[in-house]
Amino acid sequence: DTAVSQTPKYLVTQMGNDKSIKCEQNLGHDTMYWYKQDSKKFLKIMFSYNNKELIINETVPNRFSPKSPDKAHLNLHINSLELGDSAVYFCASSQRGRGLFFGEGSRLTVL
Amino acid sequence: GQQVMQIPQYQHVQEGEDFTTYCNSSTTLSNIQWYKQRPGGHPVFLIQLVKSGEVKKQKRLTFQFGEAKKNSSLHITATQTTDVGTYFCAVPTNAGKSTFGDGTTLTVKP
Repeated sequence: DTAVSQTPKYLVTQMGNDKSIKCEQNLGHDTMYWYKQDSKKFLKIMFSYNNKELIINETVPNRFSPKSPDKAHLNLHINSLELGDSAVYFCASSQRGRGLFFGEGSRLTVL
Repeated sequence: GQQVMQIPQYQHVQEGEDFTTYCNSSTTLSNIQWYKQRPGGHPVFLIQLVKSGEVKKQKRLTFQFGEAKKNSSLHITATQTTDVGTYFCAVPTNAGKSTFGDGTTLTVKP
Protein backbone atom coordinates (compact mmCIF):
# COMPACT_ATOMS: atom_id res chain seq x y z
CA ASP A 1 0.00 0.00 0.00
CA THR A 2 1.31 3.42 -0.98
CA ALA A 3 1.91 5.59 2.08
CA VAL A 4 1.51 8.97 0.39
CA SER A 5 -0.32 8.94 -2.91
CA GLN A 6 -0.99 11.87 -5.17
CA THR A 7 -2.90 12.14 -8.42
CA PRO A 8 -2.53 12.78 -11.20
CA LYS A 9 1.10 11.94 -11.87
CA TYR A 10 1.21 14.10 -14.97
CA LEU A 11 -0.73 17.17 -16.03
CA VAL A 12 -0.30 18.95 -19.33
CA THR A 13 -2.48 21.98 -19.77
CA GLN A 14 -2.80 25.37 -21.42
CA MET A 15 -2.06 28.70 -19.81
CA GLY A 16 -5.06 30.17 -18.08
CA ASN A 17 -6.63 26.83 -17.17
CA ASP A 18 -7.38 25.63 -13.64
CA LYS A 19 -6.09 22.31 -12.29
CA SER A 20 -6.16 20.32 -9.08
CA ILE A 21 -3.83 17.78 -7.53
CA LYS A 22 -5.03 15.42 -4.83
CA CYS A 23 -3.02 13.87 -2.04
CA GLU A 24 -3.81 11.21 0.52
CA GLN A 25 -1.68 9.65 3.25
CA ASN A 26 -2.42 6.48 5.17
CA LEU A 27 0.37 6.84 7.73
CA GLY A 28 -1.73 8.52 10.40
CA HIS A 29 0.54 11.59 10.30
CA ASP A 30 -0.77 14.85 11.65
CA THR A 31 1.02 17.20 9.26
CA MET A 32 0.87 17.42 5.47
CA TYR A 33 2.76 19.63 3.05
CA TRP A 34 2.98 20.79 -0.52
CA TYR A 35 6.44 21.32 -1.97
CA LYS A 36 7.36 22.65 -5.39
CA GLN A 37 10.47 21.38 -7.18
CA ASP A 38 11.65 23.43 -10.12
CA SER A 39 13.83 22.41 -13.04
CA LYS A 40 16.97 23.02 -10.96
CA LYS A 41 15.66 20.53 -8.38
CA PHE A 42 15.29 23.13 -5.64
CA LEU A 43 12.62 22.01 -3.18
CA LYS A 44 10.52 24.86 -1.81
CA ILE A 45 7.74 24.52 0.71
CA MET A 46 4.43 26.04 -0.29
CA PHE A 47 1.95 25.05 2.40
CA SER A 48 1.74 23.01 5.56
CA TYR A 49 -1.36 21.76 7.33
CA ASN A 50 -1.52 20.32 10.82
CA ASN A 51 -4.71 18.44 11.66
CA LYS A 52 -6.57 20.20 8.85
CA GLU A 53 -5.40 23.66 9.89
CA LEU A 54 -3.12 25.79 7.73
CA ILE A 55 0.09 26.51 9.63
CA ILE A 56 2.46 27.56 6.88
CA ASN A 57 1.64 29.61 3.84
CA GLU A 58 4.79 30.64 2.09
CA THR A 59 4.89 33.45 -0.39
CA VAL A 60 3.03 31.81 -3.21
CA PRO A 61 0.53 33.50 -5.53
CA ASN A 62 -3.03 33.36 -4.25
CA ARG A 63 -3.87 31.44 -7.42
CA PHE A 64 -2.70 28.45 -5.37
CA SER A 65 -5.27 27.31 -2.84
CA PRO A 66 -4.81 24.26 -0.64
CA LYS A 67 -7.70 22.43 0.96
CA SER A 68 -7.60 19.82 3.67
CA PRO A 69 -10.96 18.05 4.13
CA ASP A 70 -9.46 15.84 6.83
CA LYS A 71 -6.03 15.14 8.23
CA ALA A 72 -5.39 12.36 5.71
CA HIS A 73 -6.03 14.52 2.64
CA LEU A 74 -4.48 17.69 1.29
CA ASN A 75 -5.44 18.92 -2.15
CA LEU A 76 -3.96 21.73 -4.20
CA HIS A 77 -5.98 23.82 -6.62
CA ILE A 78 -4.29 26.17 -9.05
CA ASN A 79 -6.20 28.87 -10.91
CA SER A 80 -5.20 30.69 -14.08
CA LEU A 81 -2.10 28.62 -14.71
CA GLU A 82 1.03 30.39 -15.93
CA LEU A 83 4.13 29.10 -17.70
CA GLY A 84 6.18 29.58 -14.54
CA ASP A 85 3.96 27.14 -12.67
CA SER A 86 5.50 24.27 -14.60
CA ALA A 87 7.25 22.12 -12.02
CA VAL A 88 6.93 18.92 -10.04
CA TYR A 89 4.62 19.28 -7.05
CA PHE A 90 5.24 16.95 -4.14
CA CYS A 91 2.87 16.18 -1.35
CA ALA A 92 4.44 15.00 1.90
CA SER A 93 3.39 14.06 5.39
CA SER A 94 5.12 13.74 8.73
CA GLN A 95 4.57 13.32 12.40
CA ARG A 96 5.72 16.55 14.05
CA GLY A 97 9.48 16.74 14.33
CA ARG A 98 10.15 13.64 12.28
CA GLY A 99 11.11 12.89 8.70
CA LEU A 100 8.90 13.70 5.75
CA PHE A 101 7.36 11.02 3.60
CA PHE A 102 6.86 12.21 0.04
CA GLY A 103 4.41 11.19 -2.64
CA GLU A 104 5.69 10.32 -6.09
CA GLY A 105 5.09 13.82 -7.39
CA SER A 106 2.82 15.42 -9.95
CA ARG A 107 4.61 16.86 -12.96
CA LEU A 108 2.75 19.91 -14.23
CA THR A 109 3.52 21.26 -17.68
CA VAL A 110 1.88 24.51 -18.73
CA LEU A 111 1.93 25.23 -22.46
CA GLY B 1 14.49 32.67 7.91
CA GLN B 2 16.64 29.63 8.48
CA GLN B 3 19.08 29.07 5.65
CA VAL B 4 21.27 26.10 4.99
CA MET B 5 24.11 25.99 2.49
CA GLN B 6 24.79 22.67 0.82
CA ILE B 7 27.93 21.90 -1.18
CA PRO B 8 28.97 20.81 -3.68
CA GLN B 9 26.11 21.24 -6.12
CA TYR B 10 27.40 18.43 -8.34
CA GLN B 11 29.84 15.60 -7.84
CA HIS B 12 31.01 13.15 -10.48
CA VAL B 13 32.90 10.11 -9.24
CA GLN B 14 34.25 6.87 -10.58
CA GLU B 15 32.55 3.81 -9.16
CA GLY B 16 34.40 2.78 -6.04
CA GLU B 17 35.43 6.30 -5.06
CA ASP B 18 34.11 8.00 -1.97
CA PHE B 19 31.64 10.88 -1.91
CA THR B 20 30.80 13.54 0.64
CA THR B 21 28.20 16.29 0.75
CA TYR B 22 28.13 19.03 3.38
CA CYS B 23 25.47 21.25 4.89
CA ASN B 24 26.24 24.37 6.86
CA SER B 25 24.04 26.68 8.87
CA SER B 26 24.84 30.04 10.45
CA THR B 27 22.67 29.18 13.44
CA THR B 28 22.48 26.23 15.82
CA LEU B 29 20.14 23.54 14.63
CA SER B 30 17.85 21.40 16.74
CA ASN B 31 18.21 18.60 14.23
CA ILE B 32 19.04 17.90 10.61
CA GLN B 33 17.55 15.42 8.19
CA TRP B 34 18.96 13.81 5.06
CA TYR B 35 17.05 12.68 1.98
CA LYS B 36 17.91 10.94 -1.27
CA GLN B 37 16.10 11.52 -4.54
CA ARG B 38 16.79 9.13 -7.40
CA PRO B 39 16.52 10.53 -10.95
CA GLY B 40 12.85 10.84 -11.80
CA GLY B 41 11.87 9.86 -8.27
CA HIS B 42 10.76 11.51 -5.09
CA PRO B 43 12.81 12.44 -2.00
CA VAL B 44 13.17 9.56 0.43
CA PHE B 45 13.93 10.18 4.09
CA LEU B 46 17.24 8.63 5.14
CA ILE B 47 17.94 9.78 8.68
CA GLN B 48 17.55 12.45 11.32
CA LEU B 49 20.44 13.60 13.51
CA VAL B 50 19.71 15.26 16.81
CA LYS B 51 22.69 15.10 19.17
CA SER B 52 25.84 17.20 19.06
CA GLY B 53 28.70 15.22 17.48
CA GLU B 54 26.37 12.39 16.51
CA VAL B 55 27.61 9.85 13.97
CA LYS B 56 25.26 7.32 12.42
CA LYS B 57 25.92 4.66 9.81
CA GLN B 58 23.70 2.96 7.29
CA LYS B 59 25.78 0.39 5.43
CA ARG B 60 28.18 2.49 3.29
CA LEU B 61 26.59 5.80 4.35
CA THR B 62 27.96 7.74 7.32
CA PHE B 63 26.10 10.76 8.67
CA GLN B 64 27.69 13.27 11.03
CA PHE B 65 26.32 16.18 13.02
CA GLY B 66 28.86 18.77 14.09
CA GLU B 67 29.74 19.46 17.69
CA ALA B 68 28.26 22.94 17.44
CA LYS B 69 25.18 21.57 15.65
CA LYS B 70 25.72 23.98 12.79
CA ASN B 71 26.95 21.58 10.15
CA SER B 72 26.47 18.05 8.94
CA SER B 73 27.88 15.71 6.36
CA LEU B 74 26.88 12.60 4.48
CA HIS B 75 29.73 10.38 3.36
CA ILE B 76 29.39 7.41 1.03
CA THR B 77 32.23 4.89 0.97
CA ALA B 78 33.03 3.09 -2.28
CA THR B 79 30.19 4.46 -4.36
CA GLN B 80 28.09 2.20 -6.54
CA THR B 81 25.92 3.06 -9.52
CA THR B 82 22.88 2.62 -7.28
CA ASP B 83 24.02 5.65 -5.28
CA VAL B 84 23.27 8.09 -8.10
CA GLY B 85 20.77 10.78 -7.29
CA THR B 86 20.43 14.05 -5.46
CA TYR B 87 21.09 14.19 -1.74
CA PHE B 88 19.35 16.87 0.29
CA CYS B 89 19.74 18.02 3.83
CA ALA B 90 16.76 19.63 5.54
CA VAL B 91 16.61 21.73 8.66
CA PRO B 92 13.64 22.72 10.78
CA THR B 93 12.57 26.33 10.84
CA ASN B 94 9.86 28.14 12.72
CA ALA B 95 6.35 26.79 12.57
CA GLY B 96 7.64 23.28 12.12
CA LYS B 97 8.50 23.42 8.44
CA SER B 98 11.56 21.83 6.91
CA THR B 99 13.80 23.97 4.72
CA PHE B 100 15.80 22.00 2.21
CA GLY B 101 19.33 22.63 1.04
CA ASP B 102 19.86 23.01 -2.68
CA GLY B 103 20.99 19.41 -2.96
CA THR B 104 24.12 17.65 -4.22
CA THR B 105 23.66 15.65 -7.40
CA LEU B 106 25.88 12.61 -7.54
CA THR B 107 26.74 10.81 -10.76
CA VAL B 108 28.76 7.60 -10.71
CA LYS B 109 30.72 6.42 -13.71
CA PRO B 110 30.92 2.62 -13.89
